[in-house]
Amino acid sequence: EVQMVESGGGVVRPGGSLRLSCAASGFIFRDYGMSWVRQGPGKGLEWVSGVNWNGDGTGYADSVKGRFTVSRDNTKNSLYLQMNSLRPEDTALYLCARVPYGNYLGAFDLWGQGTMVTVSS
Amino acid sequence: PVLTQSSSASASLGSSVKLTCALSSGHSGYIIAWHQHQPGKAPRYLMKVERSGDYDRGSGISDRFSGSSSGADRYLTISNLQSADEGDYYCETWDSDTHKVIFGGGTKLTVL
Repeated sequence: EVQMVESGGGVVRPGGSLRLSCAASGFIFRDYGMSWVRQGPGKGLEWVSGVNWNGDGTGYADSVKGRFTVSRDNTKNSLYLQMNSLRPEDTALYLCARVPYGNYLGAFDLWGQGTMVTVSS
Repeated sequence: PVLTQSSSASASLGSSVKLTCALSSGHSGYIIAWHQHQPGKAPRYLMKVERSGDYDRGSGISDRFSGSSSGADRYLTISNLQSADEGDYYCETWDSDTHKVIFGGGTKLTVL
């Protein structure tokens, strides 16, 4: 089955760190650009970060630049998001999404269901 | 680019509805994608819509969903509305100059 499953979410205090993972299966992971997208409580979708097929090209939303780092391991069919200096406004459902060619800039054609991150003291 | 969507829309069961995604000034040539997001489910890719109005539905997407374009506006039309079509609809585009992906604010569709 073609799917992506996120994990690693949880409750963390402001200033803390968390590492999210997205495990892909059923398709050739290295052929796809990948992104993280989030949805805060009662809000719409917000792109967070993206990475090209081989990891050499990345992009970040201004709201997370300098605090979050995206990476991937094509040998493990996995995407990661290292989140540091977390703030209450980072509280959201974090979803991974793929683009059907090597660049992360494009139409997302498959999504995961997400993992919830709550930043609260 | 900035993508502007109406916050809500409603239409009757069995009728049609046309959702709009408006591209900001100077960005009328951008391709956009439409996604459906229902509570508790993964978002679902519906289609890409080009400036020409050509659209390309995702795998398994019903032909009740169609796309079109007029100037800087991109449309998603859902015909023969079903209760299962209720949910939030987002448009997405991407900018090769800023290396960013952009979403519209989403339209909440209610089927009456």
